Amino acid sequence: GIQVEQSPPDLILQEGANSTLRCNFSDSVNNLQWFHQNPWGQLINLFYIPSGTKQNGRLSATTVATERYSLLYISSSQTTDSGVYFCAVDRAGNQFYFGTGTSLTVIP
Amino acid sequence: DAGVIQSPRHEVTEMGQEVTLRCKPISGHNSLFWYRQTMMRGLELLIYFNNNVPIDDSGMPEDRFSAKMPNASFSTLKIQPSEPRDSAVYFCASRHGQNNQPQHFGDGTRLSIL
Repeated sequence: GIQVEQSPPDLILQEGANSTLRCNFSDSVNNLQWFHQNPWGQLINLFYIPSGTKQNGRLSATTVATERYSLLYISSSQTTDSGVYFCAVDRAGNQFYFGTGTSLTVIP
Repeated sequence: DAGVIQSPRHEVTEMGQEVTLRCKPISGHNSLFWYRQTMMRGLELLIYFNNNVPIDDSGMPEDRFSAKMPNASFSTLKIQPSEPRDSAVYFCASRHGQNNQPQHFGDGTRLSIL
């Protein structure tokens, strides 16, 4: 299978700070998604981004497929951004490999 | 539009009992996935259907686990008999098409086996 590594594993931010989360993967992929798992356990789809750059409000993501990594940027963080951020990839469309996640805590 | 709908949201039952988890995918999506999330193993794929046909069930842990998709709008994951180590959050996801489309996840079923 594809190995997916996320860093950092844990992150504590002051409200208003910016951060960058990284996802490295061990093989070429056709799909890559970033998810936010909120404190209620829901998996919220943030970005579908197998390549290129996308932005959605305070969040943006960039995937460099040739170098096998993706970055998630969070700007002006808010307490509601707290939770675990997962990167997930698949190659053939039938097996999603999840990273171990970055646990983010935003303190007021 | 309604997202992926899972039921129940929470299930607490005694070991040995049969457990049935249910999933309604997004209308028009023809791929459906069952995942399990535990502290030890993270999120892992159990089984994947395409056009109601099971394609890959290599992630199903044991014969106690079975999944069906009788039609395009409904799937079940059954555990019989259940054991305490089956306690986890079970997610269902669906996707339109076979490749190059995002997966959409339901809110999950939190299962506790006593």
